Amino acid sequence: DTGVSQDPRHKITKRGQNVTFRCDPISEHNRLYWYRQTLGQGPEFLTYFQNEAQLEKSRLLSDRFSAERPKGSFSTLEIQRTEQGDSAMYLCASSFKAGVYTGELFFGEGSRLTVL
Amino acid sequence: EDKVVQSPLSLVVHEGDTVTLNCSYEVTNFRSLLWYKQEKKAPTFLFMLTSSGIEKKSGRLSSILDKKELFSILNITATQTGDSAIYLCAVEAVVAGGTSYGKLTFGQGTILTVHP
Repeated sequence: DTGVSQDPRHKITKRGQNVTFRCDPISEHNRLYWYRQTLGQGPEFLTYFQNEAQLEKSRLLSDRFSAERPKGSFSTLEIQRTEQGDSAMYLCASSFKAGVYTGELFFGEGSRLTVL
Repeated sequence: EDKVVQSPLSLVVHEGDTVTLNCSYEVTNFRSLLWYKQEKKAPTFLFMLTSSGIEKKSGRLSSILDKKELFSILNITATQTGDSAIYLCAVEAVVAGGTSYGKLTFGQGTILTVHP
């Protein structure tokens, strides 16, 4: 399977714990995104990388959230001191910069976080 | 702040029916409007629209954009049970430098259920 893969698919944690999610984008894609989706809502933009550079971070993202993309390949999203409001599906997506822009983001199946 | 509103929020039809899903938007420096289908986890790309009045078509699905009235519709003819999904509308804005990079603002989605 050469799509976007995310790990773990489901994480249950207690409030106050730290969690980390990993995303492996499609190999030739140099753009990587993190979105968050809660029940009954569309995905909400969190942050964007072009290669290893984090070029934008949502103002809605608290300081407890940090994302990295070392070497411009896989990415990690860490949430420190989790709160119940962090419970959501965290979606990773990737796209390719060069060529004709089609608007297509390729999404992974997401990592579902449940904070107890 | 960019905003996307979809209607109806949910729709139940029988196989063979034709449905129309609506999307209205407010965005500064509009670049494109996109439709995605979300069946279980990962949203998948359907269409990108940038020009008014030009219909995009793929099989039984079609979509059109009205940039004057700030809305788009997605039509599905001869619906099948496999069309049951959440349909997401999103907009993308042009950022500084006249470029864009895939930061999408999504609506809350329309849940379509097609009964046999």
